[in-house]
Amino acid sequence: DTGVSQNPRHKITKRGQNVTFRCDPISEHNRLYWYRQTLGQGPEFLTYFQNEAQLEKSRLLSDRFSAERPKGSFSTLEIQRTEQGDSAMYLCASSPLGGGRGETQYFGPGTRLLVL
Amino acid sequence: AQRVTQPEKLLSVFKGAPVELKCNYSYSGSPELFWYVQYSRQRLQLLLRHISRESIKGFTADLNKGETSFHLKKPFAQEEDSAMYYCALRGYQKVTFGTGTKLQVIP
Repeated sequence: DTGVSQNPRHKITKRGQNVTFRCDPISEHNRLYWYRQTLGQGPEFLTYFQNEAQLEKSRLLSDRFSAERPKGSFSTLEIQRTEQGDSAMYLCASSPLGGGRGETQYFGPGTRLLVL
Repeated sequence: AQRVTQPEKLLSVFKGAPVELKCNYSYSGSPELFWYVQYSRQRLQLLLRHISRESIKGFTADLNKGETSFHLKKPFAQEEDSAMYYCALRGYQKVTFGTGTKLQVIP
C-alpha cells in the first residue's frame, strides 16, 4: 500500500500521559497536514508542513501539542499531559510537490485517541 | 477568517431521486473549494474540486461566488452514494472543512 499510513491506529492512555503519533506520507509529497476530528465534526486543521518547515499552526493548538517533520518525510505529533478533551481521531494528509490551485490532499486512516 | 457551512447533518433520499448537498463559505480571497467523501470504513478521499469543473461518479458542483456557495449535485442517487460528504475550502496555508452531511440513499 503506497498511501498515507499512520501509526498507531488506536491509542488508549490515561490522563496526564504523553502520546506520540506517526504519519508516513506518500513518497515525494512535500506537504503534510495534521487534523483532529471529533464526533459529528469535520476535520479541524492543526498544522501544516512544507518539507521540514512548519508553515502554519492553528491557534487551537495548545502548547501541549507539538509536531515535527525532521527530514521532510515522516512526521510525528506529540501530545503532552493528555486531557480527556484530547480524545479524537487524528488525521494526517499529504499532497504532492507543486501543490498549487486544486491541490488534492491524500488522507491516512487516522489514529483514534481515547484519554481515560 | 475562512468558514465553511454545511447546514444539513443528514440528508435522506430515495434511490433515483436528485441529490443536492449544500455548502456555503466565507472567505475574503479567491476561494478553492473541494468536496471530500468518506465511505463506511474507508478513509477520507477527494471527490471533486471546483477548479477542475469535472463530474465524478455523476456528481457536479458549481462555484457560485455571488451566493458564496458550492453545492454538490447528482441527478439520480444510487445506493453506493451513501456516505459522509465534507465541503472544504483552501485558503492561505490551511484548509477548512465543514461539519459534513451524511447522505443516506434509501433503496
